[in-house]
Amino acid sequence: DAGITQSPRYKITETGRQVTLMCHQTWSHSYMFWYRQDLGHGLRLIYYSAAADITDKGEVPDGYVVSRSKTENFPLTLESATRSQTSVYFCASSVSSSEQFFGPGTRLTVL
Amino acid sequence: QKEVEQNSGPLSVPEGAIASLNCTYSDRGSQSFFWYRQYSGKSPELIMFIYSNGDKEDGRFTAQLNKASQYVSLLIRDSQPSDSATYLCAVTLDSSYKLIFGSGTRLLVRP
Repeated sequence: DAGITQSPRYKITETGRQVTLMCHQTWSHSYMFWYRQDLGHGLRLIYYSAAADITDKGEVPDGYVVSRSKTENFPLTLESATRSQTSVYFCASSVSSSEQFFGPGTRLTVL
Repeated sequence: QKEVEQNSGPLSVPEGAIASLNCTYSDRGSQSFFWYRQYSGKSPELIMFIYSNGDKEDGRFTAQLNKASQYVSLLIRDSQPSDSATYLCAVTLDSSYKLIFGSGTRLLVRP
């Protein structure tokens, strides 16, 4: 019963590099979400997806790209990492328009 | 800008007391309301949800919703040191499945 997993759990990269954060869920939930959590800002929605091949922007999408070719996977790519993208990233999923369940998070540091 | 407001705390209560956590929201279209608990360095964990005005009880937790006042609260009875965490309030945005999170209230339960 893996639920929702994220990889890597920790990542250090340099400014300008491309980074992909992975999210995988075993529940077959339709909805998946990416958030970032920063001190003073709480959780902010980056992108979300209602189903495979359906994605949409959240509150802070600039500098990020997502795809969802399979229901269970929802990778988040930072095309050219910047220091301001240093954060903790959480993936979440839900079966409908209700409770969201979170993965363990990825702590990303951009030097 | 749709907002969810919480007092950042810390809210300090003695063991065995009732902890009262409050949240206000600005979007009158919000339909679903959630409380998440987040331990330091961990991901948010759903502990309560409420959709209708009134109270909803689950064990030591009671969620209270007043849509007219745009106010939702969480009561924790018989508080334990293990309840010490940050509590995040979240509400749905525009009757959709997207969530807006408050910045959280840090609760400290003193032994």
